[in-house]
Amino acid sequence: AQSVTQLDSQVPVFEEAPVELRCNYSSSVSVYLFWYVQYPNQGLQLLLKYLSGSTLVESINGFEAEFNKSQTSFHLRKPSVHISDTAEYFCAVSATNRDDKIIFGKGTRLHILP
Amino acid sequence: EPEVTQTPSHQVTQMGQEVILRCVPISNHLYFYWYRQILGQKVEFLVSFYNNEISEKSEIFDDQFSVERPDGSNFTLKIRSTKLEDSAMYFCASRDRNTEAFFGQGTRLTVV
Repeated sequence: AQSVTQLDSQVPVFEEAPVELRCNYSSSVSVYLFWYVQYPNQGLQLLLKYLSGSTLVESINGFEAEFNKSQTSFHLRKPSVHISDTAEYFCAVSATNRDDKIIFGKGTRLHILP
Repeated sequence: EPEVTQTPSHQVTQMGQEVILRCVPISNHLYFYWYRQILGQKVEFLVSFYNNEISEKSEIFDDQFSVERPDGSNFTLKIRSTKLEDSAMYFCASRDRNTEAFFGQGTRLTVV
């Protein structure tokens, strides 16, 4: 079985400052990794994904994450945050079996300070 | 862009009543899921569905819950006799092979 650990439940950061949201996973098999974002009172949107290939993946709004197999991590980073980045961020994992469920971490609330 | 749609967006029901939450997955997807999120908590897996049968279910998905794909397009979650603790946001998701899951906007269920 897979599991995801997001150690930080809340991360406050000043606008235009860099941020890193940490994610570690546990699995005995190969995995796909995801970051989903949930804006206030909205659904889950895929932010970025690692399925195969380059271990560094990027989103269209400036976020990036790097798959580190040796450290079983998939940390999310952004060099300069904006007030519109205020949201809950969920790291998620699924085994590379064809229909395996996605397992979510507990989420990290990104709080942008003016 | 194709999307997963869920109806209704918000449902209020009395304790003990049956509710059916509806989802239309993306048309060429093969795998379907229901998740729930109790307010302020993590997103929890309920059930996965493939080839017209349940492929996996969590311990949350007890006999009060059932899923159905009645007509090849809709995917429903039924709660037979709702309890106060069933109040949550329920998300439907679908995926194709070796891709991410696409989530609907959710149905907020309030049991009173």
